[in-house]
Amino acid sequence: AQLVESGGGVVQPGRSLRLSCSASGFMFSTYAIYWVRQAPGKGLEWVAVMAHDGSTENYAVSVRGRCAMSRDNANKTLFLQMHSLRPEDSATYYCARGDNYFGLDVWGQGTTVTVSS
Amino acid sequence: DIHLTQSPSSLSASVGDRVTITCRASEAIGHYLAWFQKKPGKAPEALIYTASRLQSGVPSKFSGSGSGTDFTLTISSLQPEDFATYYCQQYDTFPYTFGQGTRLEI
Repeated sequence: AQLVESGGGVVQPGRSLRLSCSASGFMFSTYAIYWVRQAPGKGLEWVAVMAHDGSTENYAVSVRGRCAMSRDNANKTLFLQMHSLRPEDSATYYCARGDNYFGLDVWGQGTTVTVSS
Repeated sequence: DIHLTQSPSSLSASVGDRVTITCRASEAIGHYLAWFQKKPGKAPEALIYTASRLQSGVPSKFSGSGSGTDFTLTISSLQPEDFATYYCQQYDTFPYTFGQGTRLEI
């Protein structure tokens, strides 16, 4: 099982960015996918989750209203669209698969977002 | 939100030592607690789920216990590769919060 994030980069405050999480080696359509971020020198912060079928989503207060997830199960890819980016959104963003029993058991290597003018 | 408090925030130990990290939840979360190891520049590695069960491939030197609000992670026979930051996470109630981390140093 493997997850690979992409789409990170340097972006100006107020701009948008779309992160991708591509899966392989497991049945992507049966797992919820999570985003977790880590700002430089800080701890892990849970960001968002989308259910296996895309039917439900949940977002941390820090990003609610500025982020939207979508998924393409046929192509085993999940997206995190981020709007109105702020300097405090600068972090390495990890996607992870999870379920209600095993928790977040497989993680990608992360993609780094830097919000700076 | 459920708040997780880890103690200690940092811990110094030696190769061969046994250490214990605690994680206290602000409200009961049953056994829905996980532990992760995080090294700089690397993805978090899942160690334990449902408070006490080892993820596949994780050596038995790691063990977890607890339920409700109080949990522990114990690492026995420390090796150089074990020096990292450890996080607990509750997955009982959204948002799935993390503890602030415990940095294990040589």
